[in-house]
Amino acid sequence: DTEVTQTPKHLVMGMTNKKSLKCEQHMGHRAMYWYKQKAKKPPELMFVYSYEKLSINESVPSRFSPECPNSSLLNLHLHALQPEDSALYLCASSQKVGGADTQYFGPGTRLTVL
Amino acid sequence: DQQVKQNSPSLSVQEGRISILNCDYTNSMFDYFLWYKKYPAEGPTFLISISSIKDKNEDGRFTVFLNKSAKHLSLHIVPSQPGDSAVYFCAAGTQTLTGGGNKLTFGTGTQLKVEL
Repeated sequence: DTEVTQTPKHLVMGMTNKKSLKCEQHMGHRAMYWYKQKAKKPPELMFVYSYEKLSINESVPSRFSPECPNSSLLNLHLHALQPEDSALYLCASSQKVGGADTQYFGPGTRLTVL
Repeated sequence: DQQVKQNSPSLSVQEGRISILNCDYTNSMFDYFLWYKKYPAEGPTFLISISSIKDKNEDGRFTVFLNKSAKHLSLHIVPSQPGDSAVYFCAAGTQTLTGGGNKLTFGTGTQLKVEL
């Protein structure tokens, strides 16, 4: 089973709202990722968690705040977003922490910021 | 600087024929390569990978070829089916990095259309 689940599937929020995206995997993977994908572009890495600790932050604005409550869950808290933050937000996980490894992606959350 | 490039934004192939998707990279530190398939509004689905110690990996209808000297890889799909119509991304990473989680660099994608 290589399933990564994400909720919600769609989210519409205003610029003053606070919302959260959730991601879950039960494959025992020790690395989890948040990506942002705009139309006709490749996925763009935002954050990497390794063994539940933030290991990579790709200079993401502080209005995006990740959280890893346990080894199976990954959240992305959103606050004071801008319309240009509208995108597909993808969560992924991989078994290995160091080096390259296959990442398995969830279906994504389509975010629209009004 | 685009370290992983897919120079063909689109490709159209007839059902039953071979689809060949190409990918070039510039970073000689990359030693692990993957292909993902993506439908609109869905997450990328892993297809096949190859390590730099190999030059070919096959899984059913999908074969990936790696030419390290040319820094080029290709994905062959035989026979192509209408359900293969999607965007295909190649991705590259470095297996020897330690700690900190791993980073994959994605190409810009090729839209494959398999026609009846």
